[in-house]
Amino acid sequence: SAVISQKPSRDICQRGTSLTIQCQVDSQVTMMFWYRQQPGQSLTLIATANQGSEATYESGFVIDKFPISRPNLTFSTLTVSNMSPEDSSIYLCSTARMNTEAFFGQGTRLTVV
Amino acid sequence: GQQLNQSPQSMFIQEGEDVSMNCTSSSIFNTWLWYKQDPGEGPVLLIALYKAGELTSNGRLTAQFGITRKDSFLNISASIPSDVGIYFCAGRVSGTGNQFYFGTGTSLTVIP
Repeated sequence: SAVISQKPSRDICQRGTSLTIQCQVDSQVTMMFWYRQQPGQSLTLIATANQGSEATYESGFVIDKFPISRPNLTFSTLTVSNMSPEDSSIYLCSTARMNTEAFFGQGTRLTVV
Repeated sequence: GQQLNQSPQSMFIQEGEDVSMNCTSSSIFNTWLWYKQDPGEGPVLLIALYKAGELTSNGRLTAQFGITRKDSFLNISASIPSDVGIYFCAGRVSGTGNQFYFGTGTSLTVIP
């Protein structure tokens, strides 16, 4: 299984600001995904991070709010833009190789005040 | 996204008892995964299932991929206090971009 490191592990941010979360994997992976987990809830897929092209967003998520980069096969970033208290969640990076299981980083706990 | 219904939502059991939870979907899945999440941590993979009818064990955990490919269950035998946590199923829809969708979660409390 891949080892996934996320930074920061937690942050408290002012509303209206933006936060960029980094995800680093210790080996090349085909697929990288970003999930959001609101307090007490399940994981909701935000988008698939595509290497060398624009991310593929799920219904209800847009690029202006959650811009994603994936410059290579081991690294991706998710930015939460123009934050409001409703964005307070755990954001999780996930990786998978084709037709195999998915693994997760430890998550970034974001609190917007 | 896909909707996965997971039940029960929560369980309170005595140590030593067996536990069973299940997940159903409206779509046909080609993969079912079961995860455990502890507070402040990301989900940790417990069991992966790839074929309809497949029954797989990992220690005291057993999971099965339903024949219809729309459901899966997870059993935990002889529960212990460290089994406490939230359990999630996740599935991948056939013919899609390899992303996984998650169930609503089962919160397990084990009473010593």
